[in-house]
Amino acid sequence: GAGVSQSPSNKVTEKGKDVELRCDPISGHTALYWYRQRLGQGLEFLIYFQGNSAPDKSGLPSDRFSAERTGESVSTLTIQRTQQEDSAVYLCASSLGDYSNQPQHFGDGTRLSIL
Amino acid sequence: EDQVTQSPEALRLQEGESSSLNCSYTVSGLRGLFWYRQDPGKGPEFLFTLYSAGEEKEKERLKATLTKKESFLHITAPKPEDSATYLCAYSGSARQLTFGSGTQLTVLP
Repeated sequence: GAGVSQSPSNKVTEKGKDVELRCDPISGHTALYWYRQRLGQGLEFLIYFQGNSAPDKSGLPSDRFSAERTGESVSTLTIQRTQQEDSAVYLCASSLGDYSNQPQHFGDGTRLSIL
Repeated sequence: EDQVTQSPEALRLQEGESSSLNCSYTVSGLRGLFWYRQDPGKGPEFLFTLYSAGEEKEKERLKATLTKKESFLHITAPKPEDSATYLCAYSGSARQLTFGSGTQLTVLP
């Protein structure tokens, strides 16, 4: 079956512009996560969605970052007024249900470069 | 403070030379310990979940084990295609995974 799909795969933009990143989770997966991976570093949690519950936004680094999810499907991560420190790979993952011991399955990410 | 530490940061092996990667963790209420493989330019690929001390899981040349303080990923007779970054992560009371910084494994032919 299809895995987690992210688009675009690469995005280059100028400092100060807004960007929108998209994630299509695995069908039937109700939990969706966004992570950020800076070059040579581990993954940092950004935000978590589960069904119709309020999202866990505790990992968002600033108010320039926001995310939405339509039901139990597509999610978009928006970064406003981008800064050079936002350059990173943004990874989306999905998992079955609201169980913290379920494995998360990742997409290949969006590589964001801020000039 | 909950945290996870992986060692070594990098490991170079000759083909067929077995070794182990370490993941040490301090977390209250561990729900699961996860191992992932990440190839360059790709997202992490799920390998194993371990839930309790003493548990072991195997897949091809890989075996993961768990104690109360650490997990090991044993690689037996590795091949060049095993070259990748191996990540461990835990889940606790929060839903998100907390990742270590990874071990970059290179297997030379």
